[in-house]
Parts: sequence; C-alpha cells; structure tokens
Amino acid sequence: AQSVTQLGSHVSVSEGALVLLRCNYSSSVPPYLFWYVQYPNQGLQLLLKYTSAATLVKGINGFEAEFKKSETSFHLTKPSAHMSDAAEYFCAVSVPGTASKLTFGTGTRLQVTL
Amino acid sequence: NAGVTQTPKFQVLKTGQSMTLQCAQDMNHEYMSWYRQDPGMGLRLIHYSVGAGITDQGEVPNGYNVSRSTTEDFPLRLLSAAPSQTSVYFCASSYSPGGAGQPQHFGDGTRLSIL
Repeated sequence: AQSVTQLGSHVSVSEGALVLLRCNYSSSVPPYLFWYVQYPNQGLQLLLKYTSAATLVKGINGFEAEFKKSETSFHLTKPSAHMSDAAEYFCAVSVPGTASKLTFGTGTRLQVTL
Repeated sequence: NAGVTQTPKFQVLKTGQSMTLQCAQDMNHEYMSWYRQDPGMGLRLIHYSVGAGITDQGEVPNGYNVSRSTTEDFPLRLLSAAPSQTSVYFCASSYSPGGAGQPQHFGDGTRLSIL
C-alpha cells in the first residue's frame, strides 16, 4: 500500500524567505503525487500534481515541486513567502488502478511572519 | 458551476442519534469519496464510489454507510453517532475512477460534534 510522510507539522518562515515543505512517499508502482492547500475553515484546493510527465511541476501561487524517484520525494517550494501563503499543506499519493483513492500525509501548517 | 456542495456546514448531535451528511456535485464526475479530517492525522478515506450503484470501503468505514443512486449525489450516513466521530467531514469528486491522476475537487466540509 502507498503512504506519504510529511516532515514537520509546523513550519515558520519570514515574509520573503524561501518556503520548503517536505514530502516523502512510498509506493510499489509509479505514483501520482499531489499537493493541496487548506485555508482556515475551507476545503482543500489543488496546488499542483505530478503524473509522470515533467519531474519539475509548477503550480498556482508561485509554488513548484520536484519529483525525485531516487529519493522518493516530492518537496514543495516557493522562492519568496507571502503572508497570504499561511495555511495547511497536504501531500497526497494515488496509484493507477486504485480508483483515484488518495492517501494523505498528516499535513504541515505554514506560518509566515513579518 | 457550484462544484462540490456539502450540507449542513455545522451539526451537533447527541450520542446514539443518526444523521445524513449530504454531498452533491454538478461536474458529472464518476468518482466521489468521503474523508474525515482529525488534528494531526490528515484526511482519512471513509467510503468511495466509482459510479452510480457502486460503492466501497476506505480506510475507516466503521459506523458509516453510503449509497450512490445518482451520479450527482453521495450521502454519508452515521448510523448511531459516537463521540469518536466528532470530526470535519469532506466530500470530494474527480473525473476519472481509474487512478489516472485526475485531481479531486473538495467541498467546504461539514463540522460535526457528537456530545
């Protein structure tokens, strides 16, 4: 079965600093990987996805993630944090043939300070 | 398009009561699912459906029941509410049931408290 590990339940960065949120996955077959963002009292919104095309994936709001098979990682980055980026971020994995079922990590709450 | 609509947004129940959480989507998506979100545990899959008339269990199905009589609707039933079912519930849908990398679209959630 597939799984996702997000390192760091809370990450704090200064406005303008680099954002790095870590995600490692486990899967016996080539996976599909997703990053979702959740703002307070809202549902989840897709940031970006990896579906075996380009390994560097660009998403919305300036975020990007790089799929590294050798490291089984899919870390999320943004060069310069903005106050509006404060939210909870979830990494998720699905594999072909499993009816689109997503397995989520436990989430990382991003705090952006002045 | 409204996307995925969940009702109610908030609900308080007493232990032993039953209720139905409603979920509707207007995107003609085949795949629909229910998750619960608990602090520090991410989202866990309760039940899912790959089309009308077809449902299956996810990771945490006990105490919940689902049915899918139409493409649009996927209600979640709590049979006899327990305090352990206090959570935020999310419904999601996606175009492809075959794990083809289609993203899921989420509703805004139902916040449920069981006293």
